[in-house]
Amino acid sequence: DAKTTQPNSMESNEEEPVHLPCNHSTISGTDYIHWYRQLPSQGPEYVIHGLTSNVNNRMASLAIAEDRKSSTLILHRATLRDAAVYYCILRENNNDMRFGAGTRLTVKP
Amino acid sequence: DTAVSQTPKYLVTQMGNDKSIKCEQNLGHDTMYWYKQDSKKFLKIMFSYNNKELIINETVPNRFSPKSPDKAHLNLHINSLELGDSAVYFCASSRAGIMNEQFFGPGTRLTVL
Repeated sequence: DAKTTQPNSMESNEEEPVHLPCNHSTISGTDYIHWYRQLPSQGPEYVIHGLTSNVNNRMASLAIAEDRKSSTLILHRATLRDAAVYYCILRENNNDMRFGAGTRLTVKP
Repeated sequence: DTAVSQTPKYLVTQMGNDKSIKCEQNLGHDTMYWYKQDSKKFLKIMFSYNNKELIINETVPNRFSPKSPDKAHLNLHINSLELGDSAVYFCASSRAGIMNEQFFGPGTRLTVL
C-alpha cells in the first residue's frame, strides 16, 4: 500500500546523470513527495521532497509532473557512493511514511 | 556527533526471550519512530511517538512495546521473541510535520534462534 510505483532496478555509469522515475497516480492534493535512499548496511537518508514545483538541493533535483501523477529524481553526476536503493514516498497528514520496494541503483565505474 | 544512535548494533537471542533496543536522538526532535526491515528488505513503520503520545500503531503484535522515558529516547521492548521477529530495526526522529525529514539510526540487526 505504498501508493507509488518505481522500477525495481536501474544502472548508471559513473559521472553521468541518472533519472529515477516514480509514478503516483493516486496522489492527493496535500500529499508531499519525498525521496529517501538507503546505502548498503545503513539506515535510510533523506534526499529531497516537494509538493508541486521542481526542487533542487545539494544532493539532487526533483522534477514533478504538472498533474503531479509522477515525479523524477535526478542525480546530476552519479558517483559510486550513490549506489543505493531509492525510495519515492507520499507523505500524508499523519506523519506516516510508507516505503515501497524502491529502485536499486547500480553505478558502474 | 551521532544524530540518532541505537544500541546494540547486533542482538542474537533465543526464542521466548525478552529483549530491548535503545534509541537516542540529540537533534531536539519531538517525534520518534521505529521501523522494521525484514529479510526481503521491506521497510515498515511500527510506531511513532510525539511528545510521549503514541500516534501511529501499525498492526504490530502487542509483544512489541515502545517506551519513551523522555523526548530524546524511544526504546523498543520485545517480549516472547519469535523466529519471525528476526529483522533489522531502525529508529528515526523528526520534527512534527510531513514536510520534515526523518533522520534514521544505523539499525539493530536482531536474530532470533
